[in-house]
Amino acid sequence: KNQVEQSPQSLIILEGKNCTLQCNYTVSPFSNLRWYKQDTGRGPVSLTIMTFSENTKSNGRYTATLDADTKQSSLHITASQLSDSASYICVPHSGGYQKVTFGTGTKLQVIP
Amino acid sequence: EAGVAQSPRYKIIEKRQSVAFWCNPISGHATLYWYQQILGQGPKLLIQFQNNGVVDDSQLPKDRFSAERLKGVDSTLKIQPAKLEDSAVYLCASSHLPPDTEAFFGQGTRLTVV
Repeated sequence: KNQVEQSPQSLIILEGKNCTLQCNYTVSPFSNLRWYKQDTGRGPVSLTIMTFSENTKSNGRYTATLDADTKQSSLHITASQLSDSASYICVPHSGGYQKVTFGTGTKLQVIP
Repeated sequence: EAGVAQSPRYKIIEKRQSVAFWCNPISGHATLYWYQQILGQGPKLLIQFQNNGVVDDSQLPKDRFSAERLKGVDSTLKIQPAKLEDSAVYLCASSHLPPDTEAFFGQGTRLTVV
């Protein structure tokens, strides 16, 4: 059974600080992994995608890492801003028409 | 490029009543998804269409939920009769055909069953 575990469940940080969100998954076979950002009251929006051959990918202040051997991914946010307050959801994918399993997300709150 | 449109944004109904949600995906996207997101949880796939055919509906409670995508464009999701535990946000998403996996989501419909 495909499972996705994210930690921490919630996080509060001061504006300007860095943070790292974790994702462990058991999806097999594995094709790629996306991190989505979901603002309150909105649908998720893709931040980045990583294939099994990639270790690190950056998108502005967001840096995702992937270890396909240990089935772990992380999302690092640098110099956090108030607008980073959202839920961050990890979504590993098997490729093709395989069912997608969303993680439960990490709820991040950035305070001034 | 217009995004995924959903309506209504909010709906409050009594248990045992019926309700329908509408979704208009991004033009050209062959794949359409309906997700259920209960407060504090990640989205759960209910049904996935490719054009007007069903790819996966294994998690759709078929005794009360139904969905259709006529002509392979717009889609409707219906619940009849609704239960209290159906209270959730119903998200519609669309994407190009696999292996492209980026799903573009609508704002969702927040359903409250009382």
